[in-house]
Amino acid sequence: RKEVEQDPGPFNVPEGATVAFNCTYSNSASQSFFWYRQDCRKEPKLLMSVYSSGNEDGRFTAQLNRASQYISLLIRDSKLSDSATYLCVVNERNYGQNFVFGPGTRLSVLP
Amino acid sequence: EPEVTQTPSHQVTQMGQEVILRCVPISNHLYFYWYRQILGQKVEFLVSFYNNEISEKSEIFDDQFSVERPDGSNFTLKIRSTKLEDSAMYFCATSLREVVDTQYFGPGTRLTVL
Repeated sequence: RKEVEQDPGPFNVPEGATVAFNCTYSNSASQSFFWYRQDCRKEPKLLMSVYSSGNEDGRFTAQLNRASQYISLLIRDSKLSDSATYLCVVNERNYGQNFVFGPGTRLSVLP
Repeated sequence: EPEVTQTPSHQVTQMGQEVILRCVPISNHLYFYWYRQILGQKVEFLVSFYNNEISEKSEIFDDQFSVERPDGSNFTLKIRSTKLEDSAMYFCATSLREVVDTQYFGPGTRLTVL
């Protein structure tokens, strides 16, 4: 069975800390990768897509290692508002979108 | 910013009843999806829909489930003869294109089967 695995969490960090989330996927044919965040009892919201070359959006940096089938998300200078569950999402198909979600890693940023 | 909307926000039903969950996609989006999330568990793909037909479905999406876009705007998920284990949050998502595109999620419908 194809799976997406994430750090079990929860992560409790102080404001201003740097935190890293890890994700591995088992289907080597996976084509696209995303990080979503989900607040409690809310819908998933796209945080960023993950590209092979790595990409950065403000305090957030995503990396992809296809050889190791590993994805990471780094959050620098964490804010209270970053508290949420971070979902690693893998699109297993090049055509058609079979999104496979990881179980998520919960982050609590503490004052 | 355009958004996906879903109705109702919460549906309570008796076991064995049929429910219809509704979604209004972002207006120029062409691909539609349903996901479910049982409380405390991960988001699970149910079905994708394009050009008025199912393009892909998971093993969860059995004969109990059906989808349609009856009037060109609403995208519906029908669950026949609901079971207790159907209790979950059901999310609709839409995307503009298919390949490697971002999916935008609606706020979800919480289904409670008693």
